[in-house]
Amino acid sequence: GAVVSQHPSRVICKSGTSVKIECRSLDFQATTMFWYRQFPKQSLMLMATSNEGSKATYEQGVEKDKFLINHASLTLSTLTVTSAHPEDSSFYICSARDVQAGPRTDTQYFGPGTRLTVL
Amino acid sequence: GENVEQHPSTLSVQEGDSAVIKCTYSDSASNYFPWYKQELGKGPQLIIDIRSNVGEKKDQRIAVTLNKTAKHFSLHITETQPEDSAVYFCAASILEGGNKLVFGAGTILRVKS
Repeated sequence: GAVVSQHPSRVICKSGTSVKIECRSLDFQATTMFWYRQFPKQSLMLMATSNEGSKATYEQGVEKDKFLINHASLTLSTLTVTSAHPEDSSFYICSARDVQAGPRTDTQYFGPGTRLTVL
Repeated sequence: GENVEQHPSTLSVQEGDSAVIKCTYSDSASNYFPWYKQELGKGPQLIIDIRSNVGEKKDQRIAVTLNKTAKHFSLHITETQPEDSAVYFCAASILEGGNKLVFGAGTILRVKS
């Protein structure tokens, strides 16, 4: 149980294009999902908190107009990198909390990540 | 805001030996401390977590200890195996504050056979 998937696993795009990344909780409902970015050999940095049915909350320094987040259902959140540039190349990872897991609702389950390369 | 420091950055142990990774946090309000294992090119996998009302937790070869007074927590892996080789991250969060995880810098663990 508690499986989180991401699609695509890897994407290469040209500079200036937009890329959408999907994050799905496969066997549980998640009112809250988180989006992280991880540069090579670095730690995970929280970009934003995605709440089902409401606007995402962005961390300081993260441009909300560049990283569009939509959480339209309890099992799906999407991150769209708009007008991508080479500096946006990174490993994007989502996580989700199982709101019906009783004492385990605090646990964040991570997806496998999406490797974005912007040429 | 919360700041989490993690040491060492790399750790090499012989198969069968124990490995210890230590983290300190700055915000005394933090009350949830998970540990994640990340293999190359994959997402982090939760291996164990502890809440602030508990001082120690064990799951087979893995244990975590928490010292709230000193604001530090540690991961202990006993009888290490080559498949334990990975990057390990500690994290801290305030559950009532949205449970936003702040991660340590990570520790590369190499288990030599």
